[in-house]
Amino acid sequence: NAGVTQTPKFRVLKTGQSMTLLCAQDMNHEYMYWYRQDPGMGLRLIHYSVGEGTTAKGEVPDGYNVSRLKKQNFLLGLESAAPSQTSVYFCASSTPIGGQETQYFGPGTRLLVL
Amino acid sequence: EDQVTQSPEALRLQEGESSSLNCSYTVSGLRGLFWYRQDPGKGPEFLFTLYSAGEEKEKERLKATLTKKESFLHITAPKPEDSATYLCAVQASGTYKYIFGTGTRLKVLA
Repeated sequence: NAGVTQTPKFRVLKTGQSMTLLCAQDMNHEYMYWYRQDPGMGLRLIHYSVGEGTTAKGEVPDGYNVSRLKKQNFLLGLESAAPSQTSVYFCASSTPIGGQETQYFGPGTRLLVL
Repeated sequence: EDQVTQSPEALRLQEGESSSLNCSYTVSGLRGLFWYRQDPGKGPEFLFTLYSAGEEKEKERLKATLTKKESFLHITAPKPEDSATYLCAVQASGTYKYIFGTGTRLKVLA
């Protein structure tokens, strides 16, 4: 049981390049989330999904797109990377059990945009 | 606007010196308040969920409490391995979104 995994762990991009970050979970969770974490800003929600085939915008969605074609995977895309997207990206998953919800995080992807 | 404020930003304790971290929140109906621990270079690790005022939860040297406006994470007789950043988050009723605070960086000195 690997929990939440993220690929890649680290990436350097040039401005204007595109990339996709992959998040996978093996806990059969319904909900999945993408966050970015910047110094002094805390974790900010980019996009989230409450089920296969559904996605919704979070607090800072501009410049990002997401897809959830399979329940276990949640992809985050950057179509044209900008230096402002340099950050650490975390994926999380959760599911309500007995009215209670626990969110599990992946190890993060460190992205540097030059 | 839903908001979470954590204090202090940083805290240095001697081993065995108990203290409390604060998480103040404003939310339009609280669905849940969550505490996480984050070690450098790693993802947040879940600690507690609190759902209603008056609720308390404990795990080893940590105890979380909740009122209508704030939550406290009490650390009793901390050890150096408790050094980490502690994050607080809230989830409002009727939403799946989490709002995080900026965290408290805790350093416990041997």
